[in-house]
Amino acid sequence: QKEVEQNSGPLSVPEGAIASLNCTYSDRGSQSFFWYRQYSGKSPELIMFIYSNGDKEDGRFTAQLNKASQYVSLLIRDSQPSDSATYLCAVGWRGGTSYGKLTFGQGTILTVHP
Amino acid sequence: ETGVTQTPRHLVMGMTNKKSLKCEQHLGHNAMYWYKQSAKKPLELMFVYSLEERVENNSVPSRFSPECPNSSHLFLHLHTLQPEDSALYLCASSQDGGGRAETQYFGPGTRLLVL
Repeated sequence: QKEVEQNSGPLSVPEGAIASLNCTYSDRGSQSFFWYRQYSGKSPELIMFIYSNGDKEDGRFTAQLNKASQYVSLLIRDSQPSDSATYLCAVGWRGGTSYGKLTFGQGTILTVHP
Repeated sequence: ETGVTQTPRHLVMGMTNKKSLKCEQHLGHNAMYWYKQSAKKPLELMFVYSLEERVENNSVPSRFSPECPNSSHLFLHLHTLQPEDSALYLCASSQDGGGRAETQYFGPGTRLLVL
């Protein structure tokens, strides 16, 4: 059973602060890692993906991957109220020869207060 | 239309009804997925279609019946559902090349209520 664990929160940070979201996964064979944002009543939208150990930056977002510790995180700098949402961590692995599969965590609720 | 579209966006049905959910992807992808999202639970993968062939059925009750007539369209046929089937049903697609799992792009979802 491949598992992805996230703290459900809620995580509350003040506007302008750094929000740190964490995720652990059980399968050492996992090859791809994703962060999705989901606003209430909406569908998940991709924020970032990361494949290799280390950091990957995109604007205010930084994804960090440590395969040895089976840990992936998302940092949001200069947090804005519009960042308030549920953040889903997803871990990818091969489902078969022609397709992949994602296992999702439960999601962390982030609230950015003015 | 761009991305992944789903219709209807909202659906209320009785336990004896038959209805279908439709998904269309405009991204040229080769894999499509149905997920169920219930409150307080992680996204649950229901079915996977790769190159129009169903390759996964994750122990989903037979009252859910998927259909993939071509690489752009995916349906979920519903019949004799139970109230616990009320949830957000999400369609997703990806372009997979046989290596690692690639990004999945989601449609807006169908909010289903079974009375």
